[in-house]
Amino acid sequence: EAQVTQNPRYLITVTGKKLTVTCSQNMNHEYMSWYRQDPGLGLRQIYYSMNVEVTDKGDVPEGYKVSRKEKRNFPLILESPSPNQTSLYFCASSSGQGLGYTFGSGTRLTVV
Amino acid sequence: GENVEQHPSTLSVQEGDSAVIKCTYSDSASNYFPWYKQELGKRPQLIIDIRSNVGEKKDQRIAVTLNKTAKHFSLHITETQPEDSAVYFCAAALNGNQFYFGTGTSLTVIP
Repeated sequence: EAQVTQNPRYLITVTGKKLTVTCSQNMNHEYMSWYRQDPGLGLRQIYYSMNVEVTDKGDVPEGYKVSRKEKRNFPLILESPSPNQTSLYFCASSSGQGLGYTFGSGTRLTVV
Repeated sequence: GENVEQHPSTLSVQEGDSAVIKCTYSDSASNYFPWYKQELGKRPQLIIDIRSNVGEKKDQRIAVTLNKTAKHFSLHITETQPEDSAVYFCAAALNGNQFYFGTGTSLTVIP
């Protein structure tokens, strides 16, 4: 089944403790992206990647890192999480320019 | 950067009526406009999209129109059904890379 898989689905952590949210897609898509969703703010793009080793900042990149060492994986790293990063995070992938993204199931992160 | 505004934020319609959601964008260079549907507790799912070289696109009960001059685009749902109830997001993108989403419209279809 073609899908974007994120893990974990739920995560509660403490301020300052590094964490990684994994994302993997099995569709051989070149484009991958991370979004955060907050009430009243919609979906905001954090980082995107157009191919292996090619990443770029989205609208709200501060406090996040990404890497794209393999085509299928695009982890999101929070080096020192803070409470304002409490949010619902979605990973997404696309086969190419001008085509909509397929979203993963989401990761609900709470930073206390 | 791009700014996408979406209206209304909430919309209630009777089953069988039509629903229209409107979005405006600020960057005239944006050339790809997808619409997503998000049911409660689920992931956003692409329902229809349009590119800047097309004025209108239809898929069964769903249609999207684009006015490049005015920089606005709209989602039209006809013959609404209860399963159309969800949050709908519009987005604008340049070359399908950096996406800017609207803040969403919560649609309720009343049986």
